[in-house]
Amino acid sequence: EPEVTQTPSHQVTQMGQEVILRCVPISNHLYFYWYRQILGQKVEFLVSFYNNEISEKSEIFDDQFSVERPDGSNFTLKIRSTKLEDSAMYFCASGNFGQTQYFGPGTRLLVL
Amino acid sequence: LAKTTQPISMDSYEGQEVNITCSHNNIATNDYITWYQQFPSQGPRFIIQGYKTKVTNEVASLFIPADRKSSTLSLPRVSLSDTAVYYCLVGDFNAGNMLTFGGGTRLMVKP
Repeated sequence: EPEVTQTPSHQVTQMGQEVILRCVPISNHLYFYWYRQILGQKVEFLVSFYNNEISEKSEIFDDQFSVERPDGSNFTLKIRSTKLEDSAMYFCASGNFGQTQYFGPGTRLLVL
Repeated sequence: LAKTTQPISMDSYEGQEVNITCSHNNIATNDYITWYQQFPSQGPRFIIQGYKTKVTNEVASLFIPADRKSSTLSLPRVSLSDTAVYYCLVGDFNAGNMLTFGGGTRLMVKP
């Protein structure tokens, strides 16, 4: 069964550094998403992406964040100048229908 | 966006049937009801989705009454591995819509 993959599984960075989180969505999906979950809190939507552009973004997704589909398979989330409060699990998801999304295993980001 | 309310936590024993009810009083005509499961340190996993009446798959059943103001996720004969957080989501079926997760129901299955 096809699945969403994410790399790295863990990332430790210093405050102020840039990180790039990578995802490979399921190949025939058209919509891609990033969510995050701070430890012990709810899963929060960050951004959705369709047809090579952002279709929706939350208040969390400010100028510090950007997404890109650099080729036909990868989908990346870049966080510029990381802050302590960016520490969280970041989940990539993909799908073709709004409420049915397939999540990856996540990247645990720790900002020191 | 329809607000959902579900119990914070539930306990059960192996082999029992578990029913988790979610209320969504202001569900809109175009909204579907979707349930996700999340294990610790893993991404949410789609379980089941429905619009009305009953839907069943290999994992669970979803019961939706005629007024659609609530729904019940039924897990038959749970095992220890069903210990997880279960989320009820309500939203438009349109592609590309973001998912809004609440706090979910933390199910603990005991031996």
